Amino acid sequence: AQSVAQPEDQVNVAEGNPLTVKCTYSVSGNPYLFWYVQYPNRGLQFLLKYITGDNLVKGSYGFEAEFNKSQTSFHLKKPSALVSDSALYFCAVHNFNKFYFGSGTKLNVKP
Amino acid sequence: GAGVSQSPSNKVTEKGKDVELRCDPISGHTALYWYRQRLGQGLEFLIYFQGNSAPDKSGLPSDRFSAERTGESVSTLTIQRTQQEDSAVYLCASSPRQVYNEQFFGPGTRLTVL
Repeated sequence: AQSVAQPEDQVNVAEGNPLTVKCTYSVSGNPYLFWYVQYPNRGLQFLLKYITGDNLVKGSYGFEAEFNKSQTSFHLKKPSALVSDSALYFCAVHNFNKFYFGSGTKLNVKP
Repeated sequence: GAGVSQSPSNKVTEKGKDVELRCDPISGHTALYWYRQRLGQGLEFLIYFQGNSAPDKSGLPSDRFSAERTGESVSTLTIQRTQQEDSAVYLCASSPRQVYNEQFFGPGTRLTVL
């Protein structure tokens, strides 16, 4: 069965510090991995995706994610957090025409 | 161009009533998805349309839920005899024909069943 796990309900970081939002997955076949962000009272927005190639993918707003096949992980990272990054982040895997989403991680960036 | 739109933005109904939610995908997007997001939870897949192929209904939680799509345009999600546990935000997303493209989400419809 396909599944995505986000082990942290909430991540707190100080502005300017690096941030990591964790995601692990379980899929049959090659994984196609995505990160989405949901700002308060707004719809989900695409951040980045891994399909193939370089394990480090770069996306919108300075975010990046590293695909690690051996650890079945796709953690979201940013070198320097901004208060405006505070939002709900979802990891998703695409397999057999469906997207499977994690439960979401709330990121709080404090000034 | 315009993004994915959904209507109504909010819907309050009484238990036992039927509701119909609408999604207008981005023009040219052949794939359309419906999800349910309960408060504080992740997205729950409901149904997937791809062009004129038979839809994947494997995520529909009960036979009270149904969805239709006219060609590659508007989709409606219908919930019959609503229950309080149906209260959630219902999200629609569309995606281009190419495989493994990201989804573009609408703002959602917040359904409250009293």
